[in-house]
Amino acid sequence: QKEVEQNSGPLSVPEGAIASLNCTYSDRGSQSFFWYRQYSGKSPELIMFIYSNGDKEDGRFTAQLNKASQYVSLLIRDSQPSDSATYLCAVKVGGNTPLVFGKGTRLSVIA
Amino acid sequence: DTEVTQTPKHLVMGMTNKKSLKCEQHMGHRAMYWYKQKAKKPPELMFVYSYEKLSINESVPSRFSPECPNSSLLNLHLHALQPEDSALYLCASSQGTGVYSPLHFGNGTRLTVT
Repeated sequence: QKEVEQNSGPLSVPEGAIASLNCTYSDRGSQSFFWYRQYSGKSPELIMFIYSNGDKEDGRFTAQLNKASQYVSLLIRDSQPSDSATYLCAVKVGGNTPLVFGKGTRLSVIA
Repeated sequence: DTEVTQTPKHLVMGMTNKKSLKCEQHMGHRAMYWYKQKAKKPPELMFVYSYEKLSINESVPSRFSPECPNSSLLNLHLHALQPEDSALYLCASSQGTGVYSPLHFGNGTRLTVT
Protein backbone atom coordinates (compact mmCIF):
# COMPACT_ATOMS: atom_id res chain seq x y z
CA GLN A 1 0.00 0.00 0.00
CA LYS A 2 1.36 3.36 -1.01
CA GLU A 3 1.86 5.65 1.96
CA VAL A 4 2.88 9.25 2.43
CA GLU A 5 3.83 10.24 5.95
CA GLN A 6 3.94 13.68 7.48
CA ASN A 7 4.26 14.87 11.05
CA SER A 8 0.84 16.30 11.92
CA GLY A 9 2.31 19.10 14.04
CA PRO A 10 1.57 21.73 14.96
CA LEU A 11 4.96 23.03 13.96
CA SER A 12 5.44 26.43 15.56
CA VAL A 13 8.08 28.83 14.29
CA PRO A 14 8.69 32.51 15.07
CA GLU A 15 8.08 35.12 12.39
CA GLY A 16 11.10 35.53 10.15
CA ALA A 17 12.46 32.03 10.81
CA ILE A 18 12.79 29.13 8.37
CA ALA A 19 10.00 26.56 8.56
CA SER A 20 10.98 23.05 7.51
CA LEU A 21 8.25 20.59 6.59
CA ASN A 22 9.09 16.96 5.88
CA CYS A 23 7.41 14.13 4.07
CA THR A 24 8.42 10.50 3.48
CA TYR A 25 6.91 8.08 1.01
CA SER A 26 6.88 4.32 0.79
CA ASP A 27 6.85 3.58 -2.94
CA ARG A 28 10.36 3.81 -4.35
CA GLY A 29 8.90 4.15 -7.85
CA SER A 30 7.22 7.48 -7.04
CA GLN A 31 7.92 10.01 -9.74
CA SER A 32 6.35 13.36 -8.91
CA PHE A 33 5.92 15.27 -5.68
CA PHE A 34 3.64 18.16 -4.82
CA TRP A 35 3.13 20.54 -1.93
CA TYR A 36 -0.28 22.07 -1.28
CA ARG A 37 -1.14 24.76 1.24
CA GLN A 38 -4.58 24.65 2.80
CA TYR A 39 -5.97 27.40 5.01
CA SER A 40 -8.66 26.37 7.49
CA GLY A 41 -12.00 25.96 5.71
CA LYS A 42 -10.48 26.59 2.28
CA SER A 43 -9.38 24.36 -0.59
CA PRO A 44 -5.81 23.13 -1.21
CA GLU A 45 -3.60 25.46 -3.24
CA LEU A 46 -0.63 24.12 -5.22
CA ILE A 47 2.54 25.89 -4.14
CA MET A 48 5.39 23.69 -5.38
CA PHE A 49 6.11 20.57 -7.39
CA ILE A 50 9.38 18.75 -7.92
CA TYR A 51 10.29 15.81 -10.11
CA SER A 52 14.10 15.48 -9.91
CA ASN A 53 16.51 15.02 -7.06
CA GLY A 54 17.83 18.23 -5.60
CA ASP A 55 16.39 21.61 -4.76
CA LYS A 56 13.82 23.74 -6.52
CA GLU A 57 13.30 27.33 -5.42
CA ASP A 58 10.33 29.64 -5.97
CA GLY A 59 10.39 32.86 -4.01
CA ARG A 60 10.46 32.08 -0.30
CA PHE A 61 9.74 28.40 -0.94
CA THR A 62 12.27 25.65 -1.62
CA ALA A 63 11.32 22.06 -2.31
CA GLN A 64 13.98 19.40 -1.74
CA LEU A 65 13.80 15.85 -3.08
CA ASN A 66 15.98 12.90 -2.13
CA LYS A 67 14.75 9.79 -3.93
CA ALA A 68 17.41 7.54 -2.40
CA SER A 69 16.13 8.34 1.08
CA GLN A 70 12.51 8.64 -0.10
CA TYR A 71 11.84 12.02 1.39
CA VAL A 72 10.73 15.37 0.16
CA SER A 73 10.76 18.58 2.15
CA LEU A 74 9.50 22.12 1.90
CA LEU A 75 11.42 25.05 3.34
CA ILE A 76 9.71 28.37 3.89
CA ARG A 77 12.16 31.23 4.42
CA ASP A 78 11.26 34.41 6.31
CA SER A 79 8.07 32.79 7.61
CA GLN A 80 5.08 35.10 7.99
CA PRO A 81 1.93 34.71 10.09
CA SER A 82 0.06 34.43 6.76
CA ASP A 83 1.97 31.17 6.13
CA SER A 84 0.07 29.57 9.01
CA ALA A 85 -1.85 26.75 7.36
CA THR A 86 -1.84 23.01 6.83
CA TYR A 87 0.70 21.83 4.27
CA LEU A 88 -0.19 18.67 2.35
CA CYS A 89 2.47 16.55 0.68
CA ALA A 90 1.22 14.54 -2.31
CA VAL A 91 2.98 11.91 -4.37
CA LYS A 92 2.27 10.29 -7.72
CA VAL A 93 3.71 6.89 -8.55
CA GLY A 94 2.92 6.81 -12.23
CA GLY A 95 0.65 7.94 -14.99
CA ASN A 96 -3.06 7.21 -14.56
CA THR A 97 -2.57 6.51 -10.86
CA PRO A 98 -4.21 8.61 -8.17
CA LEU A 99 -2.34 11.25 -6.23
CA VAL A 100 -1.56 9.97 -2.72
CA PHE A 101 -1.84 12.61 -0.01
CA GLY A 102 -0.17 12.72 3.35
CA LYS A 103 -2.29 13.76 6.34
CA GLY A 104 -0.75 17.22 6.37
CA THR A 105 1.40 19.24 8.76
CA ARG A 106 -0.14 22.19 10.55
CA LEU A 107 2.25 25.16 10.60
CA SER A 108 1.82 28.03 13.01
CA VAL A 109 3.98 31.15 12.54
CA ILE A 110 4.06 33.22 15.71
CA ALA A 111 4.34 37.00 15.38
CA ASP B 1 -8.33 33.49 -7.68
CA THR B 2 -8.85 29.87 -8.62
CA GLU B 3 -9.40 28.96 -12.28
CA VAL B 4 -11.63 26.07 -11.28
CA THR B 5 -15.05 27.37 -10.29
CA GLN B 6 -17.42 25.41 -8.09
CA THR B 7 -21.04 26.17 -7.29
CA PRO B 8 -22.68 26.45 -4.90
CA LYS B 9 -20.23 27.47 -2.17
CA HIS B 10 -22.51 26.10 0.54
CA LEU B 11 -25.35 23.57 0.36
CA VAL B 12 -27.68 22.28 3.03
CA MET B 13 -29.88 19.39 2.05
CA GLY B 14 -32.17 16.87 3.67
CA MET B 15 -31.70 13.15 3.31
CA THR B 16 -34.54 12.88 0.79
CA ASN B 17 -33.40 15.75 -1.45
CA LYS B 18 -31.73 15.59 -4.83
CA LYS B 19 -29.14 18.23 -5.57
CA SER B 20 -26.16 18.75 -7.86
CA LEU B 21 -22.72 20.23 -7.44
CA LYS B 22 -21.18 21.96 -10.43
CA CYS B 23 -17.59 22.53 -11.50
CA GLU B 24 -16.19 24.43 -14.46
CA GLN B 25 -12.66 25.00 -15.73
CA HIS B 26 -11.39 26.95 -18.72
CA MET B 27 -7.73 25.97 -18.64
CA GLY B 28 -8.08 23.42 -21.42
CA HIS B 29 -7.44 20.60 -18.96
CA ARG B 30 -8.53 17.13 -20.04
CA ALA B 31 -8.80 15.50 -16.61
CA MET B 32 -11.26 16.42 -13.89
CA TYR B 33 -11.71 15.05 -10.39
CA TRP B 34 -14.08 14.94 -7.45
CA TYR B 35 -12.65 14.73 -3.95
CA LYS B 36 -14.32 14.62 -0.55
CA GLN B 37 -12.60 16.13 2.47
CA LYS B 38 -13.60 15.78 6.10
CA ALA B 39 -12.23 18.09 8.79
CA LYS B 40 -8.55 17.59 9.62
CA LYS B 41 -8.22 14.85 6.99
CA PRO B 42 -6.57 14.90 3.55
CA PRO B 43 -8.72 14.97 0.41
CA GLU B 44 -10.14 11.58 -0.52
CA LEU B 45 -10.51 10.75 -4.21
CA MET B 46 -13.99 9.88 -5.44
CA PHE B 47 -13.96 10.01 -9.25
CA VAL B 48 -11.63 10.81 -12.14
CA TYR B 49 -12.68 11.76 -15.65
CA SER B 50 -10.14 11.69 -18.44
CA TYR B 51 -11.16 13.04 -21.85
CA GLU B 52 -14.77 13.08 -20.61
CA LYS B 53 -14.73 9.38 -19.75
CA LEU B 54 -14.90 8.03 -16.21
CA SER B 55 -11.53 6.43 -15.58
CA ILE B 56 -11.49 5.96 -11.80
CA ASN B 57 -14.37 5.33 -9.40
CA GLU B 58 -13.04 4.75 -5.92
CA SER B 59 -15.92 2.50 -4.78
CA VAL B 60 -18.13 5.47 -4.06
CA PRO B 61 -21.75 4.73 -2.98
CA SER B 62 -24.31 5.04 -5.75
CA ARG B 63 -25.99 7.98 -4.00
CA PHE B 64 -23.16 10.00 -5.58
CA SER B 65 -23.41 10.11 -9.37
CA PRO B 66 -20.84 11.97 -11.47
CA GLU B 67 -21.41 13.42 -14.90
CA CYS B 68 -19.04 15.08 -17.37
CA PRO B 69 -21.12 16.84 -20.05
CA ASN B 70 -18.03 18.23 -21.82
CA SER B 71 -14.34 18.82 -21.24
CA SER B 72 -14.96 21.98 -19.21
CA LEU B 73 -17.80 20.86 -16.98
CA LEU B 74 -18.15 18.31 -14.21
CA ASN B 75 -21.24 17.65 -12.11
CA LEU B 76 -21.85 15.56 -9.02
CA HIS B 77 -25.47 14.51 -8.53
CA LEU B 78 -26.50 13.81 -4.97
CA HIS B 79 -29.48 11.73 -3.87
CA ALA B 80 -30.56 10.21 -0.55
CA LEU B 81 -27.42 11.30 1.25
CA GLN B 82 -26.62 10.51 4.87
CA PRO B 83 -25.48 12.95 7.57
CA GLU B 84 -22.01 11.38 7.44
CA ASP B 85 -21.73 12.61 3.84
CA SER B 86 -21.42 16.15 5.18
CA ALA B 87 -18.00 17.38 4.06
CA LEU B 88 -16.13 19.76 1.78
CA TYR B 89 -16.46 18.56 -1.81
CA LEU B 90 -13.58 19.57 -4.02
CA CYS B 91 -13.36 19.61 -7.77
CA ALA B 92 -9.93 19.61 -9.39
CA SER B 93 -8.54 19.58 -12.89
CA SER B 94 -5.21 18.76 -14.50
CA GLN B 95 -3.75 18.87 -17.98
CA GLY B 96 -3.86 15.10 -18.13
CA THR B 97 -3.59 12.11 -15.83
CA GLY B 98 0.14 11.69 -16.39
CA VAL B 99 2.81 11.92 -13.77
CA TYR B 100 3.74 15.54 -14.47
CA SER B 101 0.25 17.06 -14.33
CA PRO B 102 -0.39 18.90 -11.06
CA LEU B 103 -3.96 19.11 -9.82
CA HIS B 104 -5.59 22.51 -9.45
CA PHE B 105 -8.46 22.65 -6.98
CA GLY B 106 -11.60 24.74 -6.98
CA ASN B 107 -12.79 26.56 -3.86
CA GLY B 108 -15.03 23.68 -2.87
CA THR B 109 -18.66 23.22 -1.87
CA ARG B 110 -19.37 22.89 1.84
CA LEU B 111 -22.17 20.30 2.07
CA THR B 112 -24.30 19.75 5.14
CA VAL B 113 -26.79 16.88 5.18
CA THR B 114 -29.53 17.21 7.78
